[in-house]
Parts: sequence; structure tokens; C-alpha cells
Amino acid sequence: DAGITQSPRHKVTETGTPVTLRCHQTENHRYMYWYRQDPGHGLRLIHYSYGVKDTDKGEVSDGYSVSRSKTEDFLLTLESATSSQTSVYFCAISESIRGPSNEQFFGPGTRLTVL
Amino acid sequence: AQSVTQLDSHVSVSEGTPVLLRCNYSSSYSPSLFWYVQHPNKGLQLLLKYTSAATLVKGINGFEAEFKKSETSFHLTKPSAHMSDAAEYFCVVSHSGGGADGLTFGKGTHLIIQP
Repeated sequence: DAGITQSPRHKVTETGTPVTLRCHQTENHRYMYWYRQDPGHGLRLIHYSYGVKDTDKGEVSDGYSVSRSKTEDFLLTLESATSSQTSVYFCAISESIRGPSNEQFFGPGTRLTVL
Repeated sequence: AQSVTQLDSHVSVSEGTPVLLRCNYSSSYSPSLFWYVQHPNKGLQLLLKYTSAATLVKGINGFEAEFKKSETSFHLTKPSAHMSDAAEYFCVVSHSGGGADGLTFGKGTHLIIQP
């Protein structure tokens, strides 16, 4: 299994509080991604990173920010959590986005509940 | 633009019988195609991928998929289902001309194995 960990694995928080989720990789892959998974929607991309301090928005970025100060860490922050952000969050990594190594490897997920 | 359609939200088969999970895609570029499996409360695991080499792709756990450009399909099959195959399966397309946000996920097919 690819060396990807996510923390925390479970979190319950209240509306309006800030929340930060962490993704840590030991594979030295350039690309990192944050997805959310909701019933009936599959996985949707929130933000991604193509290098240290290089990030961009995905399909559902509103209400989320990210930071990547080191190759191995990619942080997802909910500035002010809302109930609509209750979801399972997955981090993924990939070595490249083209060619033979473009598959993504996923972390175990973080289940976030916003009350 | 690219899209993925998983034609069945649920598939139920008996243990020992063949499995067929259907996926159609559209892409303006030469696509890479993937199947991922997600067991309950777990992350996504790569089953197999197609990247323009052989059109019949073999994956882990006895699964395989055939890329058919004329039908824009990438159906997943297995000759004999096992109870441990019960899971959610995602078909994913990535186009070679895309950026880091170039993955599109299907909404998933829930595979049920009857004893």
C-alpha cells in the first residue's frame, strides 16, 4: 500500500468552527489531492497541489482552503464548518498526471460530522 | 469535456457466477481509464488501469476490463464472484491532455454477492 496517512480519522465538530485535516505521504509524489465523497455523487475534487506551495481549485472548492509547505504534507482547512460539509474526505497522491504513472493512490479517509 | 457513466448503481450476483460492471465514457482526448474498488469504511484501491497499451487489461483479484474505443466502453468483468468482492466499484477516466484536475469519477456501482 502507498504510504498515505490521514488525520484525524474521525471528527465531530460544530457549525462555525474551523477544522483542519492533514494528509501525509512517504512516497515523495509530486501531486496531492483532496476529495469529498457523498452518497450519489461519487468522489468530487476539492483542491489539488502540483508542488510545494502550488495549489489550485477543484470542482467543489467553496468553503475550503489548502496549504502545502512540504512535499509530504497537504492540509485541508474548513474556515467555518457548515453542516453541508459533513462528508468523508479522501486524500490522494500521484507521481505524474500523464503517462504510465498517472494513477492516484488514496488514503484511508476522514469522516467529518458537522453538527 | 469528459464524463463517465456507470450504467448500474447496484449489481447482485450469486457467489461463483460471473460479474459484469458496465462503464461508458466520453473524452476529447486519448483517455486513461481506471477501475477502483472501495470496501466498506475503507479507501479506494486501484484494481486495474488502461493507458493505451493492450486493450484487455488484467487487474488484481481476477478482475479484468476491456477497452472498446468504438463503443466508448470499459466494462469490468470477473469469471467467478467471491464473497469478498462485495464492495463499491468506481470507473474513472483521465485524459492525457488534461491537467492535475483531469480525473472524472463515475458515481459508483454497488456489487452485492449472494451466498
